[in-house]
Parts: sequence; structure tokens; C-alpha cells
Amino acid sequence: SYVLTQPPSVSVAPGKTARITCGGNNIGSKSVHWYQQKPGQAPVVVIYYDSDRPSGIPERFSGSNSGNTATLTISRVEAGDEADYYCQVWDSSSDHWVFGGGTKLTVL
Amino acid sequence: EVQVLESGGGLVQPGGSLRLSCAASGFTFSRYAMSWVRQAPGKGLEWVSAISSGGSTSYADSVKGRFTISRDNSKNTLNLQMNSLRVEDTAVYYCAKSSSSEPQSPFDYWGQGTLVTVSS
Repeated sequence: SYVLTQPPSVSVAPGKTARITCGGNNIGSKSVHWYQQKPGQAPVVVIYYDSDRPSGIPERFSGSNSGNTATLTISRVEAGDEADYYCQVWDSSSDHWVFGGGTKLTVL
Repeated sequence: EVQVLESGGGLVQPGGSLRLSCAASGFTFSRYAMSWVRQAPGKGLEWVSAISSGGSTSYADSVKGRFTISRDNSKNTLNLQMNSLRVEDTAVYYCAKSSSSEPQSPFDYWGQGTLVTVSS
């Protein structure tokens, strides 16, 4: 089965740039979606189809996907960005959704 | 306003059954794929099952043969019948709306979840 690998945690100072990676075999050939989940809340999509941003999501959130790594980039990080972030892909070989293990973003 | 609201969670003994429901509103339910996603306490997201607008279904290996997803387009309701429940099925179960009729489209709306606890 397809596996997505994320770092368990990323720390960044306010105003700096956070990069959260999502590794998978030839993930660049798949569409990657990213979700933000704050404590006690349901997940919210922040990036879909690698780099598209839903309405209402700040331009500070961006995404890229190539080779074996997809990346969620959060520029000018704010305290309110502190959350768990999950990447997601559709594995067409099994018709299953796959989530990464999640990355806890801490704003120092 | 799009809303999805889960219900039916609770405490059940191992080997027991439970039926979750998700009431949808604010969109044409029949046109969209839907999924169930769960999150064990303190753990990450795990996809459970999906159903297309046409009724095609898929299941995670961990629940295949025990869980059944279904939809009632006349009632704008998504269901998850869970049988032979195990302790490891304990989780918050989320209902999620796909952004198109196909289950492989990303989730644009999620419910607030319903807690299922499997324990003796």
C-alpha cells in the first residue's frame, strides 16, 4: 500500500517561513491535498491539487509537488497557524485515500 | 451554508455494532461523493470508506468486511454500519464531503465528528 511520510514536528519563529514535507514514491505523479487541524476542531483543506488555495485561505499558504516530495509552505508564520497538518493523496492502484502521519507545527 | 452533521456515536462492547449517520444540508447531496475518516485519540487521520455519487464504494483494509457505507439521497444522509467492532476502532469519526462526484476529489467540508468508544 502507498505510504506518505511527514516529519512529526516542525518549529518556526513568528514571521518566518515554515516548510512541511510529505514524502512518497513518485508522489509528483499524484495530486496532493493538505489539511490543517487545530485542537478540538475538524480538519480544513488549505491546499488542494498540489498548489491550489481554497477561497478564504491566506496567500501565505502555498504548495508544490515534484519527484518524491510534496511541500506545504507557510510564509510569514503567525501564532494562529499553530496546528497539525496532514497531506493526502488518492492511491489509484487500491482506490484508497492515504493520509500522511501528520506534522505538528509549533510557532515559537 | 454547507453543513454535515454526524450522529450515532457512543460506547459499545467489542464485537458489537453501531450505525453512524451524517445529515447533509446546503448542497445537492446526490451530486457529491462522501467519505468517513476517523481519528483515534491523540493519533492522526485515517480514511475509512468512501462512496461516489453513483453509489460505488471503497473501504480501508482495516474495516473491509466489517463496515458498510451507504447513502440515502432522498434524505440527504450518509451512513456507516459498523459491525464486529474492535477496541482499535475507538476514534472520532468524521463525515467529509468531496468536492466532486468522484471519491478521489479532495474534501472541502467536514463535520465536527462523533466519538465511538469500543470497550468492555
